[in-house]
Amino acid sequence: DTAVSQTPKYLVTQMGNDKSIKCEQNLGHDTMYWYKQDSKKFLKIMFSYNNKELIINETVPNRFSPKSPDKAHLNLHINSLELGDSAVYFCASSQWAGTTPMNTEAFFGQGTRLTVV
Amino acid sequence: AQSVTQLGSHVSVSEGALVLLRCNYSSSVPPYLFWYVQYPNQGLQLLLKYTSAATLVKGINGFEAEFKKSETSFHLTKPSAHMSDAAEYFCAAVKYSSASKIIFGSGTRLSIRP
Repeated sequence: DTAVSQTPKYLVTQMGNDKSIKCEQNLGHDTMYWYKQDSKKFLKIMFSYNNKELIINETVPNRFSPKSPDKAHLNLHINSLELGDSAVYFCASSQWAGTTPMNTEAFFGQGTRLTVV
Repeated sequence: AQSVTQLGSHVSVSEGALVLLRCNYSSSVPPYLFWYVQYPNQGLQLLLKYTSAATLVKGINGFEAEFKKSETSFHLTKPSAHMSDAAEYFCAAVKYSSASKIIFGSGTRLSIRP
């Protein structure tokens, strides 16, 4: 049983399109994240949600809009895609450090490789 | 501000040799520290974590790391490299707060020579 699953795994689309990436976790965690990994493998946090509430927004362009319908899901919608959005996007989940700091490790999905052409 | 620095973007060792991947953190308060491994076209998998219980932490696949507060370091080691260890390794840190986020180092690519 996959702990953190994201779909799709690959996404190829044209500039200007709108696309969504879905993420679900079955670990019972209350915090979920979106990370972007660029071509040099650098991982940068984009958003974090705790119990469906936005906790962190790391100055990500407004074209990126996360949505958390419940604490097990965190989807990422991207409007007006640009070439520079091409990257691997990882969803992750963890227990919230505010209550269980000893168990703050994140569990990652397999990633979504987004290619904008 | 909290940061994580990994020295060496690429490390190459011979099969059977010692693996040493370096990580230093910058924080006034020691954070919780992690090492993750990423195999090609896959997500990140936790190798081990430090949460102040013990300074020497053992992880999966024979890896271990030692937390040294005086050096603000959390280097990853493995006594004998195996071909299957070839991957990208990330050091990460998180500080306990209401807006905790996991900060990653820039990664070290480990290559194993036959």
